[in-house]
Amino acid sequence: SQQGEEDPQALSIQEGENATMNCSYKTSINNLQWYRQNSGRGLVHLILIRSNEREKHSGRLRVTLDTSKKSSSLLITASRAADTASYFCATGNQFYFGTGTSLTVIP
Amino acid sequence: GAVVSQHPSWVICKSGTSVKIECRSLDFQATTMFWYRQFPKQSLMLMATSNEGSKATYEQGVEKDKFLINHASLTLSTLTVTSAHPEDSSFYICSAFAPGTGIGEQYFGPGTRLTVT
Repeated sequence: SQQGEEDPQALSIQEGENATMNCSYKTSINNLQWYRQNSGRGLVHLILIRSNEREKHSGRLRVTLDTSKKSSSLLITASRAADTASYFCATGNQFYFGTGTSLTVIP
Repeated sequence: GAVVSQHPSWVICKSGTSVKIECRSLDFQATTMFWYRQFPKQSLMLMATSNEGSKATYEQGVEKDKFLINHASLTLSTLTVTSAHPEDSSFYICSAFAPGTGIGEQYFGPGTRLTVT
């Protein structure tokens, strides 16, 4: 299985702080994607990083990829209450999802 | 950007009945769509890959006779949960590859919440 695994499983921070969550996967990949899911809602694509990229930015998001360690991290800077959601990484053409990190941002 | 819709967004049905969920790519053609299910507070689990004009490929442990998938056109895939039971209650999400990206970016539907009573 190419399933990704995120950690921590749950993270609670104060508004304005940075949130970092990690993802590890098992096999070689072409790209890795991060998604956000608000409770009971569908997935929202956040960012895609290709296997030949090491870091990518999008607004307050910063994603890193270390293919040698088969891991990726998602950093959300200056968090807001609206960032409260579950975050998943996904790999592979068929997108095997990890268990997700539940982020709570306290106003 | 590419849009994927699902219908219905939520459905309640009685045990033993069948429910059909539609997944449509609204502004692009999708030769491949994927179906996922998600239990509360858990990750998405890939159920099957739906290919236009051919049989779906099911993941291990997914009953193909229970979860019927039909990808009859380039913009529509349907998932039918047959003889539904309460344990089938879940959040079902479909996704589709948008053409031209070349790098495997998928677009997800908003999901369908199924409750079997």
